Amino acid sequence: SAVISQKPSRDICQRGTSLTIQCQVDSQVTMMFWYRQQPGQSLTLIATANQGSEATYESGFVIDKFPISRPNLTFSTLTVSNMSPEDSSIYLCSVGRGTEQFFGPGTRLTVL
Amino acid sequence: AQSVTQLDSHVSVSEGTPVLLRCNYSSSYSPSLFWYVQHPNKGLQLLLKYTSAATLVKGINGFEAEFKKSETSFHLTKPSAHMSDAAEYFCVVSPSGAGSYQLTFGKGTKLSVIP
Repeated sequence: SAVISQKPSRDICQRGTSLTIQCQVDSQVTMMFWYRQQPGQSLTLIATANQGSEATYESGFVIDKFPISRPNLTFSTLTVSNMSPEDSSIYLCSVGRGTEQFFGPGTRLTVL
Repeated sequence: AQSVTQLDSHVSVSEGTPVLLRCNYSSSYSPSLFWYVQHPNKGLQLLLKYTSAATLVKGINGFEAEFKKSETSFHLTKPSAHMSDAAEYFCVVSPSGAGSYQLTFGKGTKLSVIP
């Protein structure tokens, strides 16, 4: 398994500002993922972050809006830039190990 | 391509009665299938997974699911519901094999348990 922590656990932000979410894993992993869960919806993959390479973004998500860093094998950040109320969601990081993905507790973001 | 359909957005059962959460999948290759549970304000927890071994999969907390290729289904069951089972459940499909992390989530089924 994997123990994953995220900071902050929740935040309320003003539109037009940016928020950086941190994801820390208790052991080294190659692949980390960032998901968005909009209110009442399922999870949607934003991007895959491998250490030492640029993140790979899914359709509908762009680097300018969701820049990702992956400086080492246990840590990643996701920034939500120039926020609008439509960005209000839960953002989750996850890691792949074997045939499973393990998820962090999520960051609940509210944009006013 | 792959997709998941959870047939019920909300299921309500009485405590002590059986639970059935339905999931159908579509995949152009041999899939791995998962059920995750999300309790309010908590992260996702893996309940069980099917990865081309036994078709009847047992998970945590008394849950189990049966992979039926002919019906493209992977329904989640539990013989007796407990109050602590009240949560959101997600059926998930991915390509099979280690390192295949392209998960596709269903829309979720909210399970309510009535005392």
